[in-house]
Amino acid sequence: LAKTTQPISMDSYEGQEVNITCSHNNIATNDYITWYQQFPSQGPRFIIQGYKTKVTNEVASLFIPADRKSSTLSLPRVSLSDTAVYYCLVAWNSGNTPLVFGKGTRLSVIA
Amino acid sequence: GAVVSQHPSWVICKSGTSVKIECRSLDFQATTMFWYRQFPKQSLMLMATSNEGSKATYEQGVEKDKFLINHASLTLSTLTVTSAHPEDSSFYICSALTGTTHEQFFGPGTRLTVL
Repeated sequence: LAKTTQPISMDSYEGQEVNITCSHNNIATNDYITWYQQFPSQGPRFIIQGYKTKVTNEVASLFIPADRKSSTLSLPRVSLSDTAVYYCLVAWNSGNTPLVFGKGTRLSVIA
Repeated sequence: GAVVSQHPSWVICKSGTSVKIECRSLDFQATTMFWYRQFPKQSLMLMATSNEGSKATYEQGVEKDKFLINHASLTLSTLTVTSAHPEDSSFYICSALTGTTHEQFFGPGTRLTVL
């Protein structure tokens, strides 16, 4: 399973755009990139998933360069409620492969 | 959307007792479920893979006789922590894999405190 590297923590003010970058140099051809959000004492919540280029949904955008060795989660205009841990995961999107979590990035949004 | 529930959401027990945690997929069938454990300020650690109708597969370092997993139906997997000790106190999270889209959906977690 591809290993991921993310910043341990980030701080941001409310209303700013936050970009969290994840490195996954050993990503395999069949791997997808998925980001999860976790609040304290809750299970992880799916945010966004992509394979290449750019993916956007109502919550975030995911930018993936052509070599796919990294990805950037972009959260537009964060609010205090976006304070959470964000996990970048890389895994094959088929079969019974469990998701393996790295250390994640602890985002703190300040008023 | 797919919903996964866990019961109980929190439990406090005495050292030496056993505790059962249930994981249910409410609106889909899950032939495979996963159990994770999370200590404070740490990431989720995969404990085992639970397959309906067969024995669970445990990760290295996880004692199968201490953490009993039963996946008796397509919507229910249980994790029993036997002879719990204070070091077993943790946040236990399950996830369920949809059979069609192979997406994983996580439960809300169960906080176990062993006194």
